[in-house]
Amino acid sequence: KAGVTQTPRYLIKTRGQQVTLSCSPISGHRSVSWYQQTPGQGLQFLFEYFSETQRNKGNFPGRFSGRQFSNSRSEMNVSTLELGDSALYLCASSPRVAGGSHYNEQFFGPGTRLTVL
Amino acid sequence: AQSVTQLGSHVSVSEGALVLLRCNYSSSVPPYLFWYVQYPNQGLQLLLKYTSAATLVKGINGFEAEFKKSETSFHLTKPSAHMSDAAEYFCAVSTPYALNFGKGTSLLVTP
Repeated sequence: KAGVTQTPRYLIKTRGQQVTLSCSPISGHRSVSWYQQTPGQGLQFLFEYFSETQRNKGNFPGRFSGRQFSNSRSEMNVSTLELGDSALYLCASSPRVAGGSHYNEQFFGPGTRLTVL
Repeated sequence: AQSVTQLGSHVSVSEGALVLLRCNYSSSVPPYLFWYVQYPNQGLQLLLKYTSAATLVKGINGFEAEFKKSETSFHLTKPSAHMSDAAEYFCAVSTPYALNFGKGTSLLVTP
């Protein structure tokens, strides 16, 4: 099976712009999670989508949003970019099933490196 | 809340030496614990996971970890380090909706 893919791999934006990142999960995985990784804060959970519905959200401002499509592909959007949004954004998919265990392992993509100037 | 703490942000070992990366957890329920590895410019790769079965868990690339409830620990070990093991290692605990990661330990392997 193909792994989790993320596009683009690298992005450079300026403050105030918005950005959209894309994630294609492993075939058959319906759960997609997003994480932000920075040197200072480490890995932080952004949100999780399951069957096109946001199930859970981390402690991030409303500028961070996402969505999931019927084919389980997911996008996240960051509006009004700030310098502090520079980070590696990781997408992870999981074979978690509806009503099933939450404790399935997550499979990570290579990430999108966002630089805000 | 479930959390993990990784002791030591940097660990340096000689090639062929024992690798020991420390992780302690805090959880009010039986935890599900994971070790991930991240190579430069890559995502996270699962090394191994503990899901309340055997306390000694064997993973990929010769790594293993032992769950010790009495010590609330889940340390990662490898008997003999290879140069290719140089990477960032993350311990994580599963919450109902996400993984909570430790801050990571950077492993340096010297010839």
